[in-house]
Amino acid sequence: DTEVTQTPKHLVMGMTNKKSLKCEQHMGHRAMYWYKQKAKKPPELMFVYSYEKLSINESVPSRFSPECPNSSLLNLHLHALQPEDSALYLCASSQARPADEAFFGQGTRLTVV
Amino acid sequence: DAKTTQPNSMESNEEEPVHLPCNHSTISGTDYIHWYRQLPSQGPEYVIHGLTSNVNNRMASLAIAEDRKSSTLILHRATLRDAAVYYCILKGSWGKFQFGAGTQVVVTP
Repeated sequence: DTEVTQTPKHLVMGMTNKKSLKCEQHMGHRAMYWYKQKAKKPPELMFVYSYEKLSINESVPSRFSPECPNSSLLNLHLHALQPEDSALYLCASSQARPADEAFFGQGTRLTVV
Repeated sequence: DAKTTQPNSMESNEEEPVHLPCNHSTISGTDYIHWYRQLPSQGPEYVIHGLTSNVNNRMASLAIAEDRKSSTLILHRATLRDAAVYYCILKGSWGKFQFGAGTQVVVTP
């Protein structure tokens, strides 16, 4: 199984809502990543978890809250988002070594209304 | 952070080779050079990676300059399915895996 599964595929939420994005992998990878991608732009790194610990936060606003409950699962909790947060949110995983390739999910298309 | 520089776009005819350059002049000795591509409405997909030596796989070849400050991804015979944005990324031991602007490859029948 070389898949990274993201749910839901699409999400529409209001600015006062709380929602969560989920990412799952069963490849035994110990590094997991969240990216945000706006239309026609490259993915922007948000967070990196290494061995279930948050190792990198790229100065992401606190309305985005990541969580890694175990080595297979990565969540991104969303609260009080703004319309400009609408984007494709991508999850990736890899072994925590520079030589290892990363596997990406198909993303969650988020629309904030 | 080590950064990469790529041309915005490249065009190729179908079944012709495509050479995609990437400059990474601030690369450190332990950084691996990775290439990914992203088709429309999909997540990025791994293409190839290397450290110092040239690499080949079923998708492409990677040629790395001797000083490692640049590399070239070679698609040997472009097909319409190869039309995508190609990203050159440095992956180091610090854990960051950051995308550059990428190159949009257009393949013409």
